[in-house]
This record gives sequence, C-alpha cells and structure tokens, in this order.
Amino acid sequence: QVQLVQSGAEVKKPGASVKVSCKASGNTFTAYDMHWVRQAPGQGLEWMGRINPNSGDTSFAQKFQGRVTMTRDTSINTAYMELTKLRSDDTAEYYCAREGVGGPSGVNWFDPWGQGTLVTVSS
Amino acid sequence: QSVLTQPPSASGTPGQRVTISCSGSSSNIGSNSVNWYQQVPGTAPKLLIYRNNQRPSGVPDRFSGSKSGTSASLAINGLQSEDEVDYYCAAWDDSLSGWVFGGGTKLTVL
Repeated sequence: QVQLVQSGAEVKKPGASVKVSCKASGNTFTAYDMHWVRQAPGQGLEWMGRINPNSGDTSFAQKFQGRVTMTRDTSINTAYMELTKLRSDDTAEYYCAREGVGGPSGVNWFDPWGQGTLVTVSS
Repeated sequence: QSVLTQPPSASGTPGQRVTISCSGSSSNIGSNSVNWYQQVPGTAPKLLIYRNNQRPSGVPDRFSGSKSGTSASLAINGLQSEDEVDYYCAAWDDSLSGWVFGGGTKLTVL
C-alpha cells in the first residue's frame, strides 16, 4: 500500500515562496502522475497541477501558471511543489495525491492522498 | 465558485437513504468519469467512489455512485452517525485541461 508523507507546516510572509515535499513509499513512484490539491480554511478542494515523475513533465491550472513549480527527485521518491509570490489567500492545506492508474485523466482518480501541509501566509 | 455544483448541505436520520447530487457540463461529467471523496474535517480526503460507480476495497457497499448525462449522484444507504462528514465530487474537464471539484456537501445525521 503506497503512502504519501508530506513535509511539515510552514509560516511565510507575503511575497515569499514555499516548497512542500511529498515522499512516496514503495517502488512505483515513477509509474503514476502526482497531483497537488489545496484547500483554504473552510473551503473546498482546488486542483493546482500535476507532474509526471518519470519524465518530469508538468501541467498546471491556469490560476497558478507562473507562480507554481513542480519537481521531483526520483532517487528519493519525492515530489515537490513550490509556490512563489505568496499572498494571504494562499493560506491553505496543501495535499499531494497520486493518480490511481496510468492512462487518460478522464477515467482516473486520486488515491492515496498525503496527510496535508498547512501553509500560513501572514505578515 | 466551483465548476461542479453540489448542495452545500444534506441530512438524514440513522438508517435512512440519502443522495448527494453533483452537476456539471459536457466538458467534464458529460465526457469523463466522476469520483467521490469523503473528508473528515481536519484530515485528508479519502477516495470513496471512482469511475462513477466503483468502490475501492474497504468502502462499505452502503455507498454507491451513478452518473447520467452531465450529472452524478452519491447514495448512502443505512445512514450511520460516522457518515456525518464532507463529500466532494470531482471530474476531469476537457476544456480546462484540469481537474475540477464540487464545492462539497456537509452531511448531517439527525
């Protein structure tokens, strides 16, 4: 059973950057895309983007284009999400989530999820 | 404003059947499968239903999903107190080339 373990909570000032890590157990890290989803306090889920851990290819939600970078280190089965130019409305729980199977997104799903990383942006 | 539309709340009594709707469009639900996630507040979402109506191992058969056209539904039979959490639908959107979620439904067991 794959498990995703994320880095700890962060507190950042407006304008700063944050980098969150997501370490996968097992030996299937490069087989399935890794996604990042965030949830502002009391709000719903919002997809940010994904990375193919094998190729490094990425795609992002338009809202985050230019501010988000997703990378991976296959030697340690870890994916990273960096968000720059932080604003107060970036305060949220950030989750990594693995695609359920390889193949088209239209018939895919997210499972498992990491435990979440709370990023607080405050002056 | 979420791309997929869910009622913000739903309720039922123990043992009752409850359904939660999820409405979308031709570019998301109309052409792709729907997944449902269950979230206990303060914890990560958990996959509940995938590919419209498939249950992952370990999910009770009280939970079922369906899809018709541009809408989907989650049904919970034999409502239990531990079902009182949040539920989200999700689908891939071909126009946006990204995943979209419903705004979430908070289920109350009366």
